[in-house]
Amino acid sequence: GEDVEQSLFLSVREGDSSVINCTYTDSSSTYLYWYKQEPGAGLQLLTYIFSNMDMKQDQRLTVLLNKKDKHLSLRIADTQTGDSAIYFCATGGGGNKLTFGTGTQLKVEL
Amino acid sequence: GAGVSQTPSNKVTEKGKYVELRCDPISGHTALYWYRQSLGQGPEFLIYFQGTGAADDSGLPNDRFFAVRPEGSVSTLKIQRTERGDSAVYLCASSLDGTGKFFGPGTRLTVL
Repeated sequence: GEDVEQSLFLSVREGDSSVINCTYTDSSSTYLYWYKQEPGAGLQLLTYIFSNMDMKQDQRLTVLLNKKDKHLSLRIADTQTGDSAIYFCATGGGGNKLTFGTGTQLKVEL
Repeated sequence: GAGVSQTPSNKVTEKGKYVELRCDPISGHTALYWYRQSLGQGPEFLIYFQGTGAADDSGLPNDRFFAVRPEGSVSTLKIQRTERGDSAVYLCASSLDGTGKFFGPGTRLTVL
């Protein structure tokens, strides 16, 4: 079945850039997503990218897609303490369902 | 506008009991999804509705799990003869056109 992998933890200083990486196996994914989950809360859709795009920028967020290597990344510029959360990568394959990674916990230190 | 809402926010039940979890999607969204998230894991797909019909129920773990969406809006996830392993956060999401999928806050189910 489809598999999505992410590193478990990332720690950055406030004001630095954060880069969260994701690799996936489903080459038929049409859309690829990034969600943010704060403690005790639901999933917040941050952004998504169509599979025929290489890059998408949305304010402080930049998504890069390398379809050949099946690698997706999320860059957060000028990271703030409010960005501390778990970030999930998800692929949208056949049947319209999402396959999620296990999440990357981002910790922003002062 | 209102997002996806789920009730109850917390449900504690005893092993063997029946539970119903409700999802109110964003108004006008025809697609509705149920996911289950265990502690420390990413959400896992359960079932997807397009309108009133279940378009993909391949994620339902066994026949104790069932979901309905009789009028193409509100959906109910039903779990019979609950087991301790069913304890998780049950998430609902909706989508207008299948691209952006918006999640509700979830229902935390605890089976004692």
